[in-house]
Amino acid sequence: GDSVTQMEGPVTLSEEAFLTINCTYTATGYPSLFWYVQYPGEGLQLLLKATKADDKGSNKGFEATYRKETTSFHLEKGSVQVSDSAVYFCALTHAGNMLTFGGGTRLMVKP
Amino acid sequence: SAVISQKPSRDICQRGTSLTIQCQVDSQVTMMFWYRQQPGQSLTLIATANQGSEATYESGFVIDKFPISRPNLTFSTLTVSNMSPEDSSIYLCSVDLRDNEQFFGPGTRLTVL
Repeated sequence: GDSVTQMEGPVTLSEEAFLTINCTYTATGYPSLFWYVQYPGEGLQLLLKATKADDKGSNKGFEATYRKETTSFHLEKGSVQVSDSAVYFCALTHAGNMLTFGGGTRLMVKP
Repeated sequence: SAVISQKPSRDICQRGTSLTIQCQVDSQVTMMFWYRQQPGQSLTLIATANQGSEATYESGFVIDKFPISRPNLTFSTLTVSNMSPEDSSIYLCSVDLRDNEQFFGPGTRLTVL
């Protein structure tokens, strides 16, 4: 079955540092890929998505590129802020089906 | 996007009792999903609820423990029955709107004593 693997956290960075959170997946066919963010005490928010190979999703300074050849969808941001502190989930889905989530990566940004 | 609300937002319950969680969407949707997020863990799908048909449960989840209703295209309920402390989790509903995008409700934080 499908699976998503994320780097384990917590990831602790200083403000304005560069962020990379690794995500790799195993799936048949061509799934759609997502990053969700969960701020403390809140539900999940869709951060960005990509639906086909080489697509780049971007939002709020975050980016991730759908790499079919390496089955990866790494999340990056050039300069993190304290307000980016949250848990980030990588996920995939096939059309109309359930989301398969990675384990989540907690990001802590210190001023 | 969609506006999704859940009730209650949180509850503390005694073991052996049941709690029904409501999920309301501001637009008509075909597919609704119920997820569980145990403390410090990722999300696990409980079941998929389509209007007019029985919910489809994932491995490890059964209808007797987690009965689901889907009476119309904007509403669904999940009941957690005969609760034990192991059921303490955040329960989230989500809807599939377009392009495989799923939007989530704010979640219901359940603590079972």
